[in-house]
Amino acid sequence: NAGVMQNPRHLVRRRGQEARLRCSPMKGHSHVYWYRQLPEEGLKFMVYLQKENIIDESGMPKERFSAEFPKEGPSILRIQQVVRGDSAAYFCASSPLSGALHEKLFFGSGTQLSVL
Amino acid sequence: RKEVEQDPGPFNVPEGATVAFNCTYSNSASQSFFWYRQDCRKEPKLLMSVYSSGNEDGRFTAQLNRASQYISLLIRDSKLSDSATYLCVVNINAGNMLTFGGGTRLMVKP
Repeated sequence: NAGVMQNPRHLVRRRGQEARLRCSPMKGHSHVYWYRQLPEEGLKFMVYLQKENIIDESGMPKERFSAEFPKEGPSILRIQQVVRGDSAAYFCASSPLSGALHEKLFFGSGTQLSVL
Repeated sequence: RKEVEQDPGPFNVPEGATVAFNCTYSNSASQSFFWYRQDCRKEPKLLMSVYSSGNEDGRFTAQLNRASQYISLLIRDSKLSDSATYLCVVNINAGNMLTFGGGTRLMVKP
């Protein structure tokens, strides 16, 4: 039973390019979360999605960032026109349950984005 | 004030020592509490949940003080392999969004 799969592990982009980060949740999990970790800082919540629905995007920057979790395929975090400040580790996590039954998140290995 | 606050450390301790970390949270409505461990920028992994009555898992003891809004993690008989960053994590509402503290770095020396 594969865990949460993220790819690529490392992504290098030049300023102004687009970055697409992928996350496949654990089998049977329908809840996906994206977190960002800047150097020397803790993880910051970005967005919470279920299949075809954005449940909470309160942590997403208002511009350039978008996320989706289609009916088929992985969840995608898309960053348009990247800037140096976007350089960070982006972690995806999944959970089988929601609400009061939530117990733990299973994290992927992360994508390290470097913007040159 | 940050929602979840931790002393960043580092805490440098010798093998075999007992070390304790505290974490404070700002929202009294917080419902669930966890300690995660993160090694060298790898993914965070759940260490233990924190229950109101306190709970113990081997060398690790977690406690919750709702009145003062803090949680603690005690590590006894520290091992070299305990060297990591310990993240205090709070679930503030039923919507699954976990709020992470900045982490406390522990370095266990021989």
